[in-house]
Amino acid sequence: AQSVTQPDIHITVSEGASLELRCNYSYGATPYLFWYVQSPGQGLQLLLKYFSGDTLVQGIKGFEAEFKRSQSSFNLRKPSVHWSDAAEYFCAVGAGDDYKLSFGAGTTVTVRA
Amino acid sequence: DGGITQSPKYLFRKEGQNVTLSCEQNLNHDAMYWYRQDPGQGLRLIYYSQIVNDFQKGDIAEGYSVSREKKESFPLTVTSAQKNPTAFYLCASTGKVYEKLFFGSGTQLSVL
Repeated sequence: AQSVTQPDIHITVSEGASLELRCNYSYGATPYLFWYVQSPGQGLQLLLKYFSGDTLVQGIKGFEAEFKRSQSSFNLRKPSVHWSDAAEYFCAVGAGDDYKLSFGAGTTVTVRA
Repeated sequence: DGGITQSPKYLFRKEGQNVTLSCEQNLNHDAMYWYRQDPGQGLRLIYYSQIVNDFQKGDIAEGYSVSREKKESFPLTVTSAQKNPTAFYLCASTGKVYEKLFFGSGTQLSVL
């Protein structure tokens, strides 16, 4: 069974600074990997996804993520954060063809002025 | 407009009572999901369904039941066996395997 771990519960970053959120997964084969964001009072929005091919994927809002098979990781990055990036971020993993999609516990990002 | 509708928005359960949360979608999606969201625990998968009349247990199915008699509907019943039901419940759907999930606005369940 697949699982996903987000080691950081809460990250505080200054506006304009870079951001990196960690995600580690457990699955025997190549998983399907996703990052979602949930802004305060909002629903979940898909930032980006990885299925195969280029291991560096670009998403919306200036985010990117890199799949590293050797480290079982799919870390999310943004070069320069904006105050509007304050939100909770969830990594998710799917495996096989049965549609099962599991989410991590989330990382809350606070942006300070 | 197409989307997912969850009802009610707020629900209160008495001890020993079963309650049912509604989830309806008009996106013509085959797959539907139920997640439970608790602070600090993220979204945990309760049940999911790939097609009508078929569903699978997720990671925390104990104390819950579902049905999928129609493509559009995937109701979740929180039974009295679920000892800690207070949480925010999210329903989602997708048209193709591992494509973007569309989420409903959620139901907040509390115990009286």
